[in-house]
Amino acid sequence: QVQLVQSGAEVKKPGASVKVSCKASGYTFTSYGISWVRQAPGQGLEWMGWISAYNGNTNYAQKLQGRVTMTTDTSTSTAYMELRSLRSDDTAVYYCARKGESSAYDYWGQGTLVTVSS
Amino acid sequence: QPVLTQPPSSSASPGESARLTCTLPSDINVGSYNIYWYQQKPGSPPRYLLYYYSDSDKGQGSGVPSRFSGSKDASANTGILLISGLQSEDEADYYCMIWPSNAVFGTGTKVTVL
Repeated sequence: QVQLVQSGAEVKKPGASVKVSCKASGYTFTSYGISWVRQAPGQGLEWMGWISAYNGNTNYAQKLQGRVTMTTDTSTSTAYMELRSLRSDDTAVYYCARKGESSAYDYWGQGTLVTVSS
Repeated sequence: QPVLTQPPSSSASPGESARLTCTLPSDINVGSYNIYWYQQKPGSPPRYLLYYYSDSDKGQGSGVPSRFSGSKDASANTGILLISGLQSEDEADYYCMIWPSNAVFGTGTKVTVL
């Protein structure tokens, strides 16, 4: 069965960086892209960007350009999202999601809570 | 970044139907896009429900009951999620999504089962 398993919760200080991992299993990793979506406490879903697991092409949300980098390691079927220059409003649960057939996000990771606090 | 507007809340009794709307901005034609719907319960990741483009182009997520269905109202530039035969387990937040160039999520609707 398809699974996306994310790394554990992180606590960071403002200005620091965080790197969240998302290990895929149960399907051919390079056949689907991975997106990252975040959700601030009590808020809605915010799309952060997408990476092709086939060729590494990326597309980032304009508001995060310059602060976010998405990568993949096809040898371990793992996707990564690094966010730099963290601010308090980056505090959120970060999800990875597979972009499946018809471009639906058909499988999601369990989420990683990133807390930014001094 | 376009905004997809959803009513903040909706409520109905068990067995009734809940009709959730997702209104696109006027410069984005609902007829040109797949509308995706996700369900999210507290403490859990979103769950993919379905997408709707037209009656001949639509898809249901794996294991999603057929009482969840999608449609569009072109006159209102709106995507619609209909939940028929509402059950207590349907109490959740519901988000719509489209892909103009990047993915855009709606503001979300909290469904309460009375």
